[in-house]
Amino acid sequence: GQQVMQIPQYQHVQEGEDFTTYCNSSTTLSNIQWYKQRPGGHPVFLIQLVKSGEVKKQKRLTFQFGEAKKNSSLHITATQTTDVGTYFCAGPKGTGNQFYFGTGTSLTVIP
Amino acid sequence: NAGVTQTPKFQVLKTGQSMTLQCAQDMNHEYMSWYRQDPGMGLRLIHYSVGAGITDQGEVPNGYNVSRSTTEDFPLRLLSAAPSQTSVYFCASSFRASSGNTIYFGEGSWLTVV
Repeated sequence: GQQVMQIPQYQHVQEGEDFTTYCNSSTTLSNIQWYKQRPGGHPVFLIQLVKSGEVKKQKRLTFQFGEAKKNSSLHITATQTTDVGTYFCAGPKGTGNQFYFGTGTSLTVIP
Repeated sequence: NAGVTQTPKFQVLKTGQSMTLQCAQDMNHEYMSWYRQDPGMGLRLIHYSVGAGITDQGEVPNGYNVSRSTTEDFPLRLLSAAPSQTSVYFCASSFRASSGNTIYFGEGSWLTVV
């Protein structure tokens, strides 16, 4: 079964509102990555978090790795229509030869 | 800057037919993998390879075969297509077979089995 779960599955926001997606793992992760997939496109790497409690920012995007390294979040401040897409977290399983993706959160931004 | 190249982009198969999805990368990456994407299911790992001559199963391997004869190529074979295999397939690669490496995806292959 799926090792990494994400919530919510869908999110509709008005342009300018904030957005957060959460990623939860049943096991401790050595690192976690975030990807964005535009409609009709392929997943594209955004960022990687490695340290417990790590916080990284990319312009309006803030990524956080939980203290126990079992959860992570992506927060977008003041969404824009260019933020539309599905956001996935991904974590390694075991030795790291397998990467498991979360179920994804589909973001719709209403102009 | 080819990156990860997948072919075909679209394919319609009849139940029971066989086909191969091709995947090639020109980045000299060790690690290659195949995912399928279905609504509400996210990306599920089908098979992966940590180097030429080495393959292993992911979460959903049944009905699919892979081989890795060269570093560059990692084809995915459907031996007898079933409607449940209707999906979008992504080939992916990363530099090394260890966690912490960025995964690069191909453009995707849309497969419909009727």
